[in-house]
Amino acid sequence: AQSVTQLDSHVSVSEGTPVLLRCNYSSSYSPSLFWYVQHPNKGLQLLLKYTSAATLVKGINGFEAEFKKSETSFHLTKPSAHMSDAAEYFCFVTFTGGGNKLTFGTGTQLKVEL
Amino acid sequence: EPEVTQTPSHQVTQMGQEVILRCVPISNHLYFYWYRQILGQKVEFLVSFYNNEISEKSEIFDDQFSVERPDGSNFTLKIRSTKLEDSAMYFCASSVDRIETQYFGPGTRLLVL
Repeated sequence: AQSVTQLDSHVSVSEGTPVLLRCNYSSSYSPSLFWYVQHPNKGLQLLLKYTSAATLVKGINGFEAEFKKSETSFHLTKPSAHMSDAAEYFCFVTFTGGGNKLTFGTGTQLKVEL
Repeated sequence: EPEVTQTPSHQVTQMGQEVILRCVPISNHLYFYWYRQILGQKVEFLVSFYNNEISEKSEIFDDQFSVERPDGSNFTLKIRSTKLEDSAMYFCASSVDRIETQYFGPGTRLLVL
């Protein structure tokens, strides 16, 4: 069965410091990977996606993620956090085969402090 | 920029009542989805719809739920007899292709009393 794991439910960083939000998946099928952000009382906004092209993907607002097949990971990073980055981040994976193909991670709440 | 829209933004209903949540996907998209997010929990996949039929559904999507594309623009989720535990934010999404980016609507917050 396929699964998506976001290892940290909460991450707290200081403004101007790097951000790392972790996502790992488990599947024998080829994944397409996405990161979405959800600000309070808002819908889900796409940050970036990987769909079998370049393994390092750049998204909006300075975020990027690297697909590492050997580690089955797709961690989200940003060199310098901004207060406006405070939100919940969801890793989302679709698989090209198998059951339960559309899977969100449990989310990581990012807090940015002054 | 085209976007997915959902109505209503909020709905309050009594337990046992039927509700219909409406979505207008992006016009050239072919795949449509419903998700729900119970307060404080992760977003859960309910169902996907393609070519006028359900293509995938989760174990959450039981006989109480149904989806329909009644015309060329709307995509609806019906809950036949709501339960307290159906209280959640329901998100609609659409995509050009199954593995391509899903664009989400703003959600409908459903409260079952």
